[in-house]
Amino acid sequence: EPEVTQTPSHQVTQMGQEVILRCVPISNHLYFYWYRQILGQKVEFLVSFYNNEISEKSEIFDDQFSVERPDGSNFTLKIRSTKLEDSAMYFCATQGSYNSPLHFGNGTRLTVT
Amino acid sequence: TQLLEQSPQFLSIQEGENLTVYCNSSSVFSSLQWYRQEPGEGPVLLVTVVTGGEVKKLKRLTFQFGDARKDSSLHITAAQPGDTGLYLCAAQGTYKYIFGTGTRLKVLA
Repeated sequence: EPEVTQTPSHQVTQMGQEVILRCVPISNHLYFYWYRQILGQKVEFLVSFYNNEISEKSEIFDDQFSVERPDGSNFTLKIRSTKLEDSAMYFCATQGSYNSPLHFGNGTRLTVT
Repeated sequence: TQLLEQSPQFLSIQEGENLTVYCNSSSVFSSLQWYRQEPGEGPVLLVTVVTGGEVKKLKRLTFQFGDARKDSSLHITAAQPGDTGLYLCAAQGTYKYIFGTGTRLKVLA
């Protein structure tokens, strides 16, 4: 069964550094999302992306965050200057068509020290 | 703002017991999904319910969508330790999926 692949699985970075989280969506999927989950807490929406542009973003997704699909396959989340409170699991999810279920990757655990 | 509230938040039961998890909203949704998440992994889809009043069964798991399509329940019969995990309901909002607050289930052997 096709999978969403995320790399790296774990990233440790110092406060103020930039990180890029990568996702390879399922090949025929059109809608892409980033969610995050702070340990033990709920799954929080960050941003949705369709047709090479952001559809919606949450208030968490401030100007330190950006997304792009640079080569038509990988979908990336960049955090320009990480803060301690950015430490969380970051999940990429993709969707074949609107209203179909999400398929999640296994996440990137980001630890900011 | 569309919200999905789940209850209970935590549940610890003995193997063999039955349990029900609820997912409630004031909004109407065209469909609703249930996911299960294990530690260190992403949520995995269990089921999608679409029609008001619909009941779907997945082995010992029974899912129901409310008649008004605002709420849903997940019932587990004879729970097993392998059912342990975080159960999440989710629904399509405008340009995003909304997730419930989650129910963390622990089944003790």
